[in-house]
Formats: sequence, structure tokens, C-alpha cells
Amino acid sequence: DTAVSQTPKYLVTQMGNDKSIKCEQNLGHDTMYWYKQDSKKFLKIMFSYNNKELIINETVPNRFSPKSPDKAHLNLHINSLELGDSAVYFCASSFRAGGDIQYFGAGTRLSVL
Amino acid sequence: KNEVEQSPQNLTAQEGEFITINCSYSVGISALHWLQQHPGGGIVSLFMLSSGKKKHGRLIATINIQEKHSSLHITASHPRDSAVYICAVYGRGGAQKLVFGQGTRLTINP
Repeated sequence: DTAVSQTPKYLVTQMGNDKSIKCEQNLGHDTMYWYKQDSKKFLKIMFSYNNKELIINETVPNRFSPKSPDKAHLNLHINSLELGDSAVYFCASSFRAGGDIQYFGAGTRLSVL
Repeated sequence: KNEVEQSPQNLTAQEGEFITINCSYSVGISALHWLQQHPGGGIVSLFMLSSGKKKHGRLIATINIQEKHSSLHITASHPRDSAVYICAVYGRGGAQKLVFGQGTRLTINP
């Protein structure tokens, strides 16, 4: 049973399209995260939710909108995709916000053509 | 300059060698993570520490809070240890986000 699962694993799309990435965790954690890993493998936080409430919103374009329908799910919707959005997006979760071990999903490789 | 710096960026060694990866950070922290990213892309948390030393199998992580420095050691390295090792810190004072180093790519040759 996968603890943090993301879908899809690969996403290839044209510029200008809208796409979503889904994330679910079955660990009973309160906090979930979205990270972006660029081509140099550098990871950066995008968003974090704690019990469905947004607690971290880094400098991310408005085209990116997270949604947490319940504390086990955190989805990422991206409007009007641009070439620079191509990256690997990781979802993660932790028992609580700040200072806890984080468990990562397998990543979604997004390629914008 | 990044708040978290790792060295070396790339490391190639022979099977059996003792490996050390270093991490320095410039901010006050509440905890430091060591993460492993395998060639397949998945990320696994190896250690979280805020003081002293932790050991798990052949992996040892140490941290010196005064010097703002942590090391990850691998004893009797094996080709399956080949991966990218990433240091990340939680800031102090309620900062609830991880700030990552740029990673160290380790290759162990048989």
C-alpha cells in the first residue's frame, strides 16, 4: 500500500493547456506539501496545507492553484501551462507542520511542449 | 548564496570506501533532514536530527549546531548507495518549510 501516491507519473502537454496533478496520503498525516524540482534537481517548496488550511504559499505564479478537499488529499491545478513549468513535482506529507519527517510521493514529471 | 550548501556536488568512489557528504547552513534551525533520491526519482527521508548523532545501518548522520554543519557518512559503501543525497533544514521560530541544499550526486563503482 503506497503511503503517498501521486497521479499521473508522467504528464506531457502543450503550452497553454490546463492540467491537474492529484496526491493522496493514507498515513493519517495532518500536513501536505507540493514541491517543484527543477532540471538541476533543486527542490523548492510551493505550497503546504495543514488540516485543509493553506499555511505556506511561496512565490508561485497565480496559474498554480492547490486544492485540499480533505486532509488526505492535496491536488495541484495548473492553468495556461508554460515551457518553464516543465519539472518534476513532488507531493509530500508529515504528521504535523514544521519539524517532522516528510514522506514523499514518487513525483510527477511534467513536460510542456 | 543558498541558505543550505552541500559539498561535494559530485562524488565517485569505489565499493567499500568510507563516504562523507557535508552540509552547511546559514540560518538558525529547529531540525535538519538528510534525504536520498534514487536514480528512479523517488525521495526517501533518511534522518531527521537536531543534535548529536544518529545511526541507521551503514549510515551515520551528525550535526554540530554551533558550527551550523552536518555530515552524512556511509561506511562500507556499495553500488546500491549510488543516489543523490539532499540536506534540508527547518528554520527556527515557526518556519514550517524545508529549505533544501542542491544535493550531492554519489556514484559507487563496483
